[in-house]
Amino acid sequence: SQKIEQNSEALNIQEGKTATLTCNYTNYSPAYLQWYRQDPGRGPVFLLLIRENEKEKRKERLKVTFDTTLKQSLFHITASQPADSATYLCSSGGYNKLIFGAGTRLAVHP
Amino acid sequence: EAGVVQSPRYKIIEKKQPVAFWCNPISGHNTLYWYLQNLGQGPELLIRYENEEAVDDSQLPKDRFSAERLKGVDSTLKIQPAELGDSAVYLCASSSQGNEQFFGPGTRLTVL
Repeated sequence: SQKIEQNSEALNIQEGKTATLTCNYTNYSPAYLQWYRQDPGRGPVFLLLIRENEKEKRKERLKVTFDTTLKQSLFHITASQPADSATYLCSSGGYNKLIFGAGTRLAVHP
Repeated sequence: EAGVVQSPRYKIIEKKQPVAFWCNPISGHNTLYWYLQNLGQGPELLIRYENEEAVDDSQLPKDRFSAERLKGVDSTLKIQPAELGDSAVYLCASSSQGNEQFFGPGTRLTVL
């Protein structure tokens, strides 16, 4: 079945470092991948979208890559801050039904 | 610009009772989504509307769940009767180009 997998273990990093989150998809080829941020008790907030023909996308301190050979997307936050602490969700869409991963919780420590 | 509005924010009901959730999307957004999110999991799509047409309801448990978007604007999701396993957060989202989705705050349902 079509699936998105994200690291279920929380990622703990020091302020100022780069956080890297991984999203792997199996049994399908999405037309695009999206990354969302979700804070406790709130709905997800859209961050970035990358299409299958794009290798990399940047927005301020955020960078996302899309490797169709590895079936993987990497999400980077550079110069991380405690305010970046949240759960980050990967989702896919386009040719297939909309699928979200379970998310990876990021904790940035001062 | 107002965001996606959902009500109620919280609902506690006894099992076998009916419950309804309401969503008002961002003005001008033709696409509306209802998701279910369990604790520690990502949102799972229940139904997607393009205007008033349900274009993907393959994941909606139709024996007890129903949804409507009569005028292509706001939408209602209903559960009747509710079961213990329905306890979750129900999220509504909308989009205008079919890609970036704007989510509401969700309705947290507790079935006792």
